[in-house]
Amino acid sequence: GEEVAQTPKHLVRGEGQKAKLYCAPIKGHSYVFWYQQVLKNEFKFLISFQNENVFDETGMPKERFSAKCLPNSPCSLEIQATKLEDSAVYFCASSRARGGTDTQYFGPGTRLTVL
Amino acid sequence: GENVEQHPSTLSVQEGDSAVIKCTYSDSASNYFPWYKQELGKRPQLIIDIRSNVGEKKDQRIAVTLNKTAKHFSLHITETQPEDSAVYFCAASGANAGKSTFGDGTTLTVKP
Repeated sequence: GEEVAQTPKHLVRGEGQKAKLYCAPIKGHSYVFWYQQVLKNEFKFLISFQNENVFDETGMPKERFSAKCLPNSPCSLEIQATKLEDSAVYFCASSRARGGTDTQYFGPGTRLTVL
Repeated sequence: GENVEQHPSTLSVQEGDSAVIKCTYSDSASNYFPWYKQELGKRPQLIIDIRSNVGEKKDQRIAVTLNKTAKHFSLHITETQPEDSAVYFCAASGANAGKSTFGDGTTLTVKP
């Protein structure tokens, strides 16, 4: 496809519940990035993949967050035991080459609300 | 790691005036500098980008300048229109980076 797709659009979870978000990159793009945007607009990098391999995971809170990009499946970001501070919009982006050399195209985002 | 600072955080201009947003970065290895526009509730959209082998790039009313020595780059919007109102983000990344580092955004308001 020509656009990055993300599902669901909105997700509401009670504190402590699990949340799983999905991202389908643009066909032909090898790199996938996950960012978290909180209310004050700040984009926090979480993790990136080169195909199914983790490329950079320096932003991931590893104790509760995990992510995968498996062949022939949408990429996923999973949050175990959500906390109130996880409420944010989670954006996925994809690029043909590494973020340092190529444009990242963003999906529409998933708004996660933790109650 | 890379650190990107963006100023101002808010900018209000009259329709037809110019708007300038500035960013500085810390990592001299960064070589790709995109600018994104994000409207309320929407995804960030690339509006212009520049690579380190170029000092200036222009696309109609939008231009970006890059000063590698000083490690800063700027977005210039001329003849602003109300539909230019949005949050603008700068970003920086290097050839071997697995991510882009974003500035904190500038909320631009263009008053008719």
